[in-house]
Amino acid sequence: KNEVEQSPQNLTAQEGEFITINCSYSVGISALHWLQQHPGGGIVSLFMLSSGKKKHGRLIATINIQEKHSSLHITASHPRDSAVYICAVREGPDKLIFGTGTRLQVFP
Amino acid sequence: NAGVTQTPKFRILKIGQSMTLQCTQDMNHNYMYWYRQDPGMGLKLIYYSVGAGITDKGEVPNGYNVSRSTTEDFPLRLELAAPSQTSVYFCASSIAGTGNYGYTFGSGTRLTVV
Repeated sequence: KNEVEQSPQNLTAQEGEFITINCSYSVGISALHWLQQHPGGGIVSLFMLSSGKKKHGRLIATINIQEKHSSLHITASHPRDSAVYICAVREGPDKLIFGTGTRLQVFP
Repeated sequence: NAGVTQTPKFRILKIGQSMTLQCTQDMNHNYMYWYRQDPGMGLKLIYYSVGAGITDKGEVPNGYNVSRSTTEDFPLRLELAAPSQTSVYFCASSIAGTGNYGYTFGSGTRLTVV
């Protein structure tokens, strides 16, 4: 069993839909990161969470430390949101464990 | 402000050849990392550095070497390239480790070993 599990692996949506991507982890962590990997391959850091909830534009990230679960929500999805979304958790000093990513495609 | 710059973007190597992947950051970040990304797998840490003159192994260091002579540069050296090293390589940096600070990633190097 992977230490970081993301679901779903693939997600297709129509423009305007509300999107939820889930991340569950099995190790004790001090922080969780959400990253976005563009179709061209570049990776951008979206959020770093250690508790609660963060919002940036149409993106919302939440984390429940007790349940070892985080969600990334996209409101009013747009085709430009099409990307791979990656969850990563910090287990120990200088060590991130990455999920395999959720591939999102948003169609007009 | 260029962020993290990786070169080259693409490379094809023959088995047994060697090469250096370059990584430079202009944000004065003390931590730098090299990851590889294989299809269907999460990113794996190859090597990392917490500052100039200091490097340490990650999860998958075999077949690679690094150096950190300056804060800005963190090159990754492949000696005796093997097909198993076909992958996409990402360099990243952060201010002070992964726990409380975000990462900045380079655009990646797609390497094929034939």
